[in-house]
Amino acid sequence: IVMTQTPLSLSVTPGQPASISCKSSQSLLRSDGKTSLSWYLQKPGQPPQLLIYEVSNRFSGVSDRFSGSGSGTDFTLKISRVEAEDVGVYYCMQDLQLPTFGGGTKVDIK
Amino acid sequence: EVQLVESGGGLVQPGGSLRLSCAASGFTFTINWMSWVRQAPGKGLEWVANINPDGSEKYYVDSVKGRFTISRDNAKNSLYLQMNSLRAEDTAVYYCVRGIDQWGQGTLVTVSP
Repeated sequence: IVMTQTPLSLSVTPGQPASISCKSSQSLLRSDGKTSLSWYLQKPGQPPQLLIYEVSNRFSGVSDRFSGSGSGTDFTLKISRVEAEDVGVYYCMQDLQLPTFGGGTKVDIK
Repeated sequence: EVQLVESGGGLVQPGGSLRLSCAASGFTFTINWMSWVRQAPGKGLEWVANINPDGSEKYYVDSVKGRFTISRDNAKNSLYLQMNSLRAEDTAVYYCVRGIDQWGQGTLVTVSP
């Protein structure tokens, strides 16, 4: 399954919202009704950290400024008010089949 | 606290071998799928292999099939990646991952003459 993210990069003013799109080459809907799409943030010099799983569930400790939405093959990660600590590269990932990642979206602060 | 600590990376010549290890603690290792994910310098993430809790199921990305072997020792709470016939394109930081939610700090593998 091919994962395609847009945009490649995003420069955001602190306090403003940001949105990242992720499209999969086939539906990520599982037989149990859940969807195998996650979002990660990789801050500079760190391993990736899980933000969102199953499209819209925030992982433990993740700020409610982050939200995920979508279904089937089209998904979106939104940051309601970008802060300096949100800088890094965001990746979507599917694990319906052997896991694959999107190419990444680099977010920085204006 | 969940901890995943990778070791075993280093510099190796093309065609050589390395064995990566991941020591897990702070959770019940024996019930979790585990994976290796790699990241080439300045590039994105690539899932390499995963293994089910009892080690009976193993899956690999096509580019490493026949060269890499994932394994685990549940008695030692450890995950391994045996890498043979290494190529320059295997150069990357290799991360140990629990399920989809916890990542180690990674270990750097450099394949170069």
